[in-house]
Amino acid sequence: EVQLVQSGAEVKKPGESLKISCKGSGYRFTTYWLGWVRQMPGKGLEWMGIIYPGDSDARYSPSLQGQVTISVDKSITTAYLQWSSLKASDTAMYFCARVGSSWSYFDYWGQGTLVTVSS
Amino acid sequence: DVVMTQTPLSLSVTPGQPASISCKSSQSLLHSDGKTYLYWYLQKPGQSPQLLIYEVSSRFSGVPDRFSGSGSGTDFTLKISRVEADDVGVYYCMQGIHLPWTFGQGTQVEIK
Repeated sequence: EVQLVQSGAEVKKPGESLKISCKGSGYRFTTYWLGWVRQMPGKGLEWMGIIYPGDSDARYSPSLQGQVTISVDKSITTAYLQWSSLKASDTAMYFCARVGSSWSYFDYWGQGTLVTVSS
Repeated sequence: DVVMTQTPLSLSVTPGQPASISCKSSQSLLHSDGKTYLYWYLQKPGQSPQLLIYEVSSRFSGVPDRFSGSGSGTDFTLKISRVEADDVGVYYCMQGIHLPWTFGQGTQVEIK
């Protein structure tokens, strides 16, 4: 069974750094891209970027390039999304999701990590 | 970016009745490989999104056959033949032909 288990909710202050995680299991981790999707409070879904665990090749949404970093540690089948300096506007639910075989959609999703940034 | 436009934005349906959601893309989603990269997701209240339909009309594993997708090029439709209480949530279409993949605004479906 494919499972993506994300780290727990975070409350941070503006300017702080943060790294959230997504652990994959139940499939060959290094052969499927993994991605991150943002959902701001009361809003829709926004594609942030994807990474290939096999070689850490990452692609980012142009609107978020430089704002976040997507990385992976294939030795522990875990992907990460990190910020070096959070803003209040980063408050959102973040979902990780596995990219399907045709490299054009997400087939399995994590449960989501709520990030709240407030002074 | 490819803009995905859904209509309606909300829908109230009597159980057992059909429902239909339209999704239009600003560019054709037909790839040179012959596939059309249009997907439908359902986000139930308090849950993560789940894949319903891939490549316009193929149901994902475990998705009931009351859900069906159709369309081509830039115009697509999701139909629920007989809505059930468990179908409540927000439905999103998504294009996967161009990065960044983009989602429609979402259609909120509720039960009357």
